[in-house]
Amino acid sequence: QLQLQESGPGLVKPSETLSLTCTVSGGSISTSSYFWGWIRQPPGKGLEWIGTIYFSGATYYRPSLKSRVTISIDTSKNQFSLRLGSVTAADTAVYYCVAELPGGASKYWGQGILVTVSS
Amino acid sequence: QSALTQPPSASGSPGQSVTISCTGTSSDIGFYFYVSWYQQHPGKAPKLMIYEVNKRPSGVPDRFSGSKSGNTASLTVSGLQTEDEADYYCSSQAENSVIFGGGTKLTVL
Repeated sequence: QLQLQESGPGLVKPSETLSLTCTVSGGSISTSSYFWGWIRQPPGKGLEWIGTIYFSGATYYRPSLKSRVTISIDTSKNQFSLRLGSVTAADTAVYYCVAELPGGASKYWGQGILVTVSS
Repeated sequence: QSALTQPPSASGSPGQSVTISCTGTSSDIGFYFYVSWYQQHPGKAPKLMIYEVNKRPSGVPDRFSGSKSGNTASLTVSGLQTEDEADYYCSSQAENSVIFGGGTKLTVL
């Protein structure tokens, strides 16, 4: 049973970079059984896929965020990370890290972390 | 890349069945057999209920079932229970991406 935990600052200033880390326990992040992704949910709104990184290192991003987002993986720490640059208030959301099955189904979720963009 | 279309609300009485629809296009739901459904209670992380159109993860009651026809997927909850009251989201694989529906609030009357 995988467990995922997000960490990072809960407050980011406009125009700066949002950086979050997801620590995976209960299994190796190097497995080919899962892919590693980020999903966000603005307050009171629906879910929004941000991107996914495969064990091969290949990454896929939401087209509207592609110019601002980077997902990376650190196998030595069993962690993967999200960086979102040039943030605005529209990026305020609960950010979830997930373990995805092939085809994009998010089987395991972190508890989520609220990130507020405000000066 | 537009969001999948779900009705904003659905309701049913305990013991009844309710079906929630999720409409996409020939580029997502109509093309891939990778449709998922999630249940989210207030303040909680979503929970995977259905994947690959009609498969249930271990521990999900068989009262939950999924199907797909053309560009529309459906989630059926049979024998409604009060704890089924929650928001439900569909998602589909698309080309190099994942698309979500806007969510449906299920009320158990």
